[in-house]
Amino acid sequence: DTAVSQTPKYLVTQMGNDKSIKCEQNLGHDTMYWYKQDSKKFLKIMFSYNNKELIINETVPNRFSPKSPDKAHLNLHINSLELGDSAVYFCASSQDIGNTEAFFGQGTRLTVV
Amino acid sequence: RKEVEQDPGPFNVPEGATVAFNCTYSNSASQSFFWYRQDCRKEPKLLMSVYSSGNEDGRFTAQLNRASQYISLLIRDSKLSDSATYLCVVNMAGYSTLTFGKGTMLLVSP
Repeated sequence: DTAVSQTPKYLVTQMGNDKSIKCEQNLGHDTMYWYKQDSKKFLKIMFSYNNKELIINETVPNRFSPKSPDKAHLNLHINSLELGDSAVYFCASSQDIGNTEAFFGQGTRLTVV
Repeated sequence: RKEVEQDPGPFNVPEGATVAFNCTYSNSASQSFFWYRQDCRKEPKLLMSVYSSGNEDGRFTAQLNRASQYISLLIRDSKLSDSATYLCVVNMAGYSTLTFGKGTMLLVSP
């Protein structure tokens, strides 16, 4: 069974559209994250949730809105998509905040055309 | 100053070679250190944690020098399957998440 699963794996959409990426973890972890990996392969934190509460919100446009309905799920909704949003988005989880190993989902490759 | 800085790559080595990667971090109060591996078009996966006393896992050895704020990864007897990007990862003190370096690409050739 996949520990951290995110859907879809690929997403191609037009500028201006709204899209969502879903993430679920079955590890019983308290903390979940969204990372963005751009074309230069730099992996940068976007959001961190602990027990469904937002812990970190980096300087991300407010077009990006995470939602955590429960500890096992952290979804990412993106409004008014722009060309610069094209990247690979990784969901991850860890047992607690920051100090322990993070397990990553397989990534969602978003292409905005 | 970049928070986590790694050697630029790629490193091209023949099978059987020994290769070392270096990493420096900016926050002297950082507490946890890791090396992750990322294969092409795949997610990052933990390779090994890095402990103050240094640690070894088979062909892989990780070292931490807190005074110099420096982490290293040594790979002995390189295999073709070691080809990947190696990410230095630090938990910055007072920051509730892991900070990733840009990674160093390793290409092992026959």
